[in-house]
Amino acid sequence: EAQVTQNPRYLITVTGKKLTVTCSQNMNHEYMSWYRQDPGLGLRQIYYSMNVEVTDKGDVPEGYKVSRKEKRNFPLILESPSPNQTSLYFCASSSTITDIYNEQFFGPGTRLTVL
Amino acid sequence: AQTVTQSQPEMSVQEAETVTLSCTYDTSESDYYLFWYKQPPSRQMILVIRQEAYKQQNATENRFSVNFQKAAKSFSLKISDSQLGDAAMYFCASADSNYQLIWGAGTKLIIKP
Repeated sequence: EAQVTQNPRYLITVTGKKLTVTCSQNMNHEYMSWYRQDPGLGLRQIYYSMNVEVTDKGDVPEGYKVSRKEKRNFPLILESPSPNQTSLYFCASSSTITDIYNEQFFGPGTRLTVL
Repeated sequence: AQTVTQSQPEMSVQEAETVTLSCTYDTSESDYYLFWYKQPPSRQMILVIRQEAYKQQNATENRFSVNFQKAAKSFSLKISDSQLGDAAMYFCASADSNYQLIWGAGTKLIIKP
């Protein structure tokens, strides 16, 4: 089954404790992206990657890091989480960057709470 | 800069009736794409319908159709014969030549049985 998976689905942590949210897709997609969703703000892009070893900042990259060492995986790293990073996070992918004009495939989301 | 506005935080409709969700956007480009995505309680974001701005004909997908008014920069979603499974958050989004999607704040749709 074609899908985007994220782990964990829920995470409660404390300020300053490094964490990684994993994202993996099995569709051989080149383009992957991370979003955060906050009430009243919709989705905002954190980082995106057009292919292996090619990443770039989105609208709200501060406090986040990403890496793209393999085509299927695109982890999101919070090296020193703060309470303002409490949010719902989504990973998404599409075949190429231009395919975002057709459809992006989303993971199930990760609910992160930073105390 | 692009902006997308959904002015209805919440809407409710009786099962089997028709409901329209509003979306307005602002862009300086002449060629762009518009989307409606659905987020059910499971949180999985699913594409409902998309519209290419250069196409005048309104997009339709089964019970879902859009009213695209380019001059007014309006892109509303009409759901006919509403079903319980349509209950979800609905997000309007636009994408321009920068390959970036700009999202609205969402409208929560409640279906009354």
